[in-house]
Formats: sequence, C-alpha cells, structure tokens
Amino acid sequence: DIVMTQSQKFMSTSVGDRVSITCKASQNVRKAVAWYQQKPGQSPKALIYLASNRHTGVPDRFTGSGSGTDFTLTINNVQSEDLADYFCLQHWNYPYTFGGGTKLEIK
Amino acid sequence: QVQLLQSGADLVRPGTSVKISCKASGYAFTNYWLGWIKQRPGHGLEWIGDIYPGSGNTYYNEKFKGKATLTADKSSSTAFMQLSSLTSEDSAVYFCGRMLHYAMDYWGQGTSVTVSS
Repeated sequence: DIVMTQSQKFMSTSVGDRVSITCKASQNVRKAVAWYQQKPGQSPKALIYLASNRHTGVPDRFTGSGSGTDFTLTINNVQSEDLADYFCLQHWNYPYTFGGGTKLEIK
Repeated sequence: QVQLLQSGADLVRPGTSVKISCKASGYAFTNYWLGWIKQRPGHGLEWIGDIYPGSGNTYYNEKFKGKATLTADKSSSTAFMQLSSLTSEDSAVYFCGRMLHYAMDYWGQGTSVTVSS
C-alpha cells in the first residue's frame, strides 16, 4: 500500500498568517491527491482535488500544489475558523490511503 | 443540495453483525461511486471500499474483504455497509461519501459503532 506521510502532527499559527501543510507519498502518485478539513465533531469537508483544484465553495485562501510524491496545502490569511485537522488522500493506487493528519492550532 | 444521511449510532455485541445505511439525496444516486471510510482515534482514516450503485460493482480494500459487504438499493437511493464478526477493533466511526474525481466530495455525518459486551 502507498504510505502518505504528514510529518507535522501539530502546527500552530496566528490569524492572518500563511501556513503550509505537507504530505509525502511513498511512491509516485502523479496528481492523484485530495485534501480534507475535519473540524471537531464533524465529518470531513473536501477542499482540494487532483492536487491543485479547489472544490466549489472553498475559499480561495486554500491552495493545493505538488505532484509525484510531494504535496502541499497552503492556507493564506489564516482565519480562526480554520482550526481543524487536515489530511491528504491518495487515489492513484488501490487501496486509497490517507495521511495521518495535521492538527492546526490557532494561537 | 447533495446530502448523505447515515443511520444512527449502534452498540453491538462481539461476534455479531451491524448494517449501516447511507441515504443519498440531491444528485443522481446511480451515477456516482460511493465510498466507505473507517475512522478510529489513533488509527487515522482507512478506505474500506466503494460501490457503483448503478451496476452494483464494488471494490474492497483487501484488509476489509470478509469483514465489510457493500450493497445499494436504487429504489431508495440508499447504500449499505454490513460489518460481520465484530470485535473491539471494529469500534469506530464509519463514513460514506460520494466520489467525484476519484475522491470523496460529499461525506455523510458518520455512524458510530461500539462493539462491547
């Protein structure tokens, strides 16, 4: 199975800052990566598909980039409501696999 | 709008089975794959499998073959996941999700399953 590694389990940032959350695949997954946001007690919300495409309704401060094995979710002008867990998903090879998640804390 | 409404929380005995439902609305149920995910604290998220309601075709993560069975009822736009021979390792929150661009775009609210005697 492809392993998706989010090395930063926790990240702390301030309102208005820019933060980058990374995800590394154990093998080439082309651009077959999605990003999700999960707030406490809620189901995940889709942010990005195919590495860099924003889902409808997602604020443009969320940007995805990368291909191959290295992927990044960047949040510009962080807002207090961005407090959440963020995780990546590869859907290049079955079984699809998720990163372990990065918890974003707002100072 | 797209909605996926899952069945409520379940407390079940070890060794038994449970069937979770996921009722879809707001889109053409038969035209999209629907996936199922397991989430446990400390274990992250796991992809269980997915089903195409239009044909009934399924894919399973090898890890969940024999554990999960995915079905769909076109007449009620409802997908089901049955989990069998339950153990404490199956205690988790289970999500269904519509798939678009090969990944989930809309998720259900989640169903908590607790396996305990």
